Amino acid sequence: QITLKESGPTLVKPTQTLTLTCTFSGFSLSTSGVGVGWIRQPPGKALEWLALIYWNDDKRYSPSLKSRLTITKDTSKNQVVLTMTNMDPVDTATFFCAHRQWLRPIKYWGQGTLVTVSS
Amino acid sequence: DVQMTQSPSSLSASVGDRVTITCQASQDINKYLSWYQQKPGKAPKLLIYDASNLETGVPSRFSGSGSGTDFTFTISSLQPEDIATYYCQQYDNLPITFGQGTRLEIK
Repeated sequence: QITLKESGPTLVKPTQTLTLTCTFSGFSLSTSGVGVGWIRQPPGKALEWLALIYWNDDKRYSPSLKSRLTITKDTSKNQVVLTMTNMDPVDTATFFCAHRQWLRPIKYWGQGTLVTVSS
Repeated sequence: DVQMTQSPSSLSASVGDRVTITCQASQDINKYLSWYQQKPGKAPKLLIYDASNLETGVPSRFSGSGSGTDFTFTISSLQPEDIATYYCQQYDNLPITFGQGTRLEIK
């Protein structure tokens, strides 16, 4: 059974860096074709894909946010970490991590974690 | 990026109605389109993948069709538990992109 869970701060101040951790079980990020990604959703708005890291350490980012995002993995801990720099109130959103198999749609999602950006 | 244009943005229908949502891609995405259902405070749930394949455990009243740039999602007989927001997603190219969502409510 594949599960994912996001963790991190619920409140960050403007200009700060957000660090979120996705802890997963039921699969290995060393298995060929497997990836873990991050998607965010501002309150009442649509889903936006942010970043993805694959089993082979291939990393892909949203072009519009690439300069602010870093995604890394710790295969031994079954964790993926996303950092997002220079946070702004418009970045207030629920952040989801998700499992993705190469060339397949996202099937498994975490429960999401709401991050509010406010001074 | 592949832009996904989803319509309508909201829809009101009666129980038992047939409901249709469309999604248009800005370029050919073959069959690599999925549909999700999202209820408030929850993660999206995969309903349809590869444009027309029903995910295991999803009721057969949900269906999808299309290929290339034009896709359709249908609920054949709307049930009260179908009240949610629905999203299309293309996964032919990175970045993965989503439609803007369709909020479905009961009339």
